[in-house]
Amino acid sequence: GNSVTQMEGPVTLSEEAFLTINCTYTATGYPSLFWYVQYPGEGLQLLLKATKADDKGSNKGFEATYRKETTSFHLEKGSVQVSDSAVYFCALTTTDSWGKFQFGAGTQVVVTP
Amino acid sequence: SAVISQKPSRDICQRGTSLTIQCQVDSQVTMMFWYRQQPGQSLTLIATANQGSEATYESGFVIDKFPISRPNLTFSTLTVSNMSPEDSSIYLCSARGGAGIYNEQFFGPGTRLTVL
Repeated sequence: GNSVTQMEGPVTLSEEAFLTINCTYTATGYPSLFWYVQYPGEGLQLLLKATKADDKGSNKGFEATYRKETTSFHLEKGSVQVSDSAVYFCALTTTDSWGKFQFGAGTQVVVTP
Repeated sequence: SAVISQKPSRDICQRGTSLTIQCQVDSQVTMMFWYRQQPGQSLTLIATANQGSEATYESGFVIDKFPISRPNLTFSTLTVSNMSPEDSSIYLCSARGGAGIYNEQFFGPGTRLTVL
């Protein structure tokens, strides 16, 4: 079956630090990969996505590259802000999943001033 | 894009009772799903809500415990039946325009359920 593994949190950083959250996956079909963000008290929001190998998704200064050879989709941001404090979820869906998503465990990120 | 609203946003319920959660999408969508997010854990798919027919449940979830309705292309309900404290979770409704990989998945704000 499909699975997503992401690094455990919480990750605590100072403002303007570099952020990396590791995500690796296994998939039976051909996956599309996503990062979702959940701010405190809010629902999930799509942060970025990549639908084929070597694609780079980017949004709000965050980037992730779909690496088929290492089955990874690591999230990075060069300079985090306090407003980036949230829980980040890596997720995938495949062409034979009929729209169903598999989520990672989520990584809480805390950015301090 | 699609905007999803859920009611109630939160509730505290007694053991043995049932709660029905409503999900409303502001546009017609092909697919609707219900997820559960237990405290400190990831999202787990409960079922796919099928319009006009019985929902399709994932392993570990059964219709008697989580009956789902979807009368049209914009609305669905999830009932959590005969609740126990283990049912305390956030329940999220999700929707997408189609099963294709280019269709974006949208999520509601969630319903935070606490069972005493």
